[in-house]
Amino acid sequence: DIQMTQSPTSLSASVGDRVTIACRANQTVSTFLNWYQQKSGKAPRLLISEVSTLQNGVPSRFSGSASGSDFSLIITGLQLDDFATYFCQQSYGPPWTFGQGTRVEIK
Amino acid sequence: QVQLVQSGAEVKKPGASVKVSCKASGYTFTGYYFHWVRQAPGQGLEWMGWIDPNLGGTRVAQKFQGRVTLTRATSINTVYMELSGLRSDDSAVYFCARDIDSVVVTALGHWGQGTLITVTS
Repeated sequence: DIQMTQSPTSLSASVGDRVTIACRANQTVSTFLNWYQQKSGKAPRLLISEVSTLQNGVPSRFSGSASGSDFSLIITGLQLDDFATYFCQQSYGPPWTFGQGTRVEIK
Repeated sequence: QVQLVQSGAEVKKPGASVKVSCKASGYTFTGYYFHWVRQAPGQGLEWMGWIDPNLGGTRVAQKFQGRVTLTRATSINTVYMELSGLRSDDSAVYFCARDIDSVVVTALGHWGQGTLITVTS
């Protein structure tokens, strides 16, 4: 199985900060890398598919990038609504696998 | 709008089976794959498998092979996930999710509300 490792596992940030969450795959996933946001007690929400494709309705302060097997989710100008847990997920090959999550907390 | 509505919470004894339903509306049911994902309390997300609602083909993660059965009923726009041989570590919220792409499985763009399955003696 492809292992996805996120870092950090948690971070504290302030409204307006630029936040970067990293995700690394232990083998190639090509561009089949997605990002989700999950708030407590809710289903995850797809933010970005295939590294950098922003989903409809997702604010433009969210962006995604890649360098080889290293991927990043960037939030430019953190808002109160963004405090949540974020997961990366590869859909290169089954089984699909998720990172362990990064919890973004208010500083 | 796309909507996925799952069946309600269940409490099961070890060794039993559970069948969770996921009813879709707002689009052509057979056009997009469905996936099942679970999340144990306070834990991360675990992909279980997918089903093609058009032809009924499935792919189940090796970890769950032999215990998970994915089916669909096209007449009522519903997919099902049945998990047998329940253990305490199967206690989790189970989500159905619909893929975003109608041609190739890509990402989980629409989610059900989740179904809590509790396994306890």
